[in-house]
Amino acid sequence: DTGVSQNPRHKITKRGQNVTFRCDPISEHNRLYWYRQTLGQGPEFLTYFQNEAQLEKSRLLSDRFSAERPKGSFSTLEIQRTEQGDSAMYLCASSPGRGNEQYFGPGTRLTVT
Amino acid sequence: DAKTTQPPSMDCAEGRAANLPCNHSTISGNEYVYWYRQIHSQGPQYIIHGLKNNETNEMASLIITEDRKSSTLILPHATLRDTAVYYCIVRDSGGYQKVTFGTGTKLQVIP
Repeated sequence: DTGVSQNPRHKITKRGQNVTFRCDPISEHNRLYWYRQTLGQGPEFLTYFQNEAQLEKSRLLSDRFSAERPKGSFSTLEIQRTEQGDSAMYLCASSPGRGNEQYFGPGTRLTVT
Repeated sequence: DAKTTQPPSMDCAEGRAANLPCNHSTISGNEYVYWYRQIHSQGPQYIIHGLKNNETNEMASLIITEDRKSSTLILPHATLRDTAVYYCIVRDSGGYQKVTFGTGTKLQVIP
């Protein structure tokens, strides 16, 4: 499968714990995006990478959230001290460059208890 | 990016054409119309995009009005697998192009 992959697909954690999600984009796509989606809403933009550089962060990305793309390939999204409001689907997408459509992964569903 | 307006839900009989409308009256000259869909519990899937000409691919057709203030996504022969939320998005061709999703149209294909 050469699509965008995300791991894990599901994560249940207790409030206050840290969690980390991984996204593997389509090979050679230099742009990578993270989105968050809550029930009944469309995905909301969180952050964007071009190669290893993080070029934009949404106001939704609080200090507890951090994303990296160390070698310009896979990316990780970490949430520290999780809160119940962090429960959502976290989606990753990649694109090959300007003006191109984004290809989304299946998402990681986070449940904070 | 310009704002879009879509009906919250629509039904379509299986085998018939599904016509999903979208209003984008504030669209500017360099903004494209994109359509994505999201089947339950999956990530969004790109369908089609266009600037001012009508477009067709293996999934759908996109009809954009001459003034570009509205468009229609057409699924020519809807199947049960087309049941999904369909998002109409207007995006600038420049910049980093984050996708700003609205709440979309929930299309229910009925057997």
